[in-house]
Amino acid sequence: EPEVTQTPSHQVTQMGQEVILRCVPISNHLYFYWYRQILGQKVEFLVSFYNNEISEKSEIFDDQFSVERPDGSNFTLKIRSTKLEDSAMYFCASSPQGTNYGYTFGSGTRLTVV
Amino acid sequence: GDSVTQMEGPVTLSEEAFLTINCTYTATGYPSLFWYVQYPGEGLQLLLKATKADDKGSNKGFEATYRKETTSFHLEKGSVQVSDSAVYFCALPPNNNAGNMLTFGGGTRLMVKP
Repeated sequence: EPEVTQTPSHQVTQMGQEVILRCVPISNHLYFYWYRQILGQKVEFLVSFYNNEISEKSEIFDDQFSVERPDGSNFTLKIRSTKLEDSAMYFCASSPQGTNYGYTFGSGTRLTVV
Repeated sequence: GDSVTQMEGPVTLSEEAFLTINCTYTATGYPSLFWYVQYPGEGLQLLLKATKADDKGSNKGFEATYRKETTSFHLEKGSVQVSDSAVYFCALPPNNNAGNMLTFGGGTRLMVKP
């Protein structure tokens, strides 16, 4: 069964450093998403991406965050200057037809900012 | 705004017990409704969904019925197994495709003992 692949599975970074989280969505999907889950808290929407541009973002997704689809397969989330509160599990997801259809999520990247 | 409320866990059951995890929602209109499951160390997987009122979603022995009169989408399984131990999330997409954000409940951890 097709799956969404995320790398790395765990990343430790120092506060203030830039990190790039990588995702390979399912190949025929058109809609891409990033969510995060701070330990013990709800899964929160960050951003959605369609047709090579951001279609919606939450208030969490401030200027420190950016997304890119640099080629036909990868979808990346960049955090420019990490803060301690960015420590969370970050999930990438993709969908063939948008949110109402349902997503396929990756297994996540655990980001730890020290 | 839209919101999803789930019963708090953890829920601890013995194998073959009956499971109910409550989920209620607040939304404008009648959106689709989802249940996602997160097994230990893995990402979120779509378990089942219902797209309109009175629909019943089912998968792997789990069922949930979309009840608009009580704005509920409770998850049930007649006989749980140890392998069902996971965190279960009720989720709500935006109505009429007006947006991209999936709103999650807080998650309910299920622990099934042999």
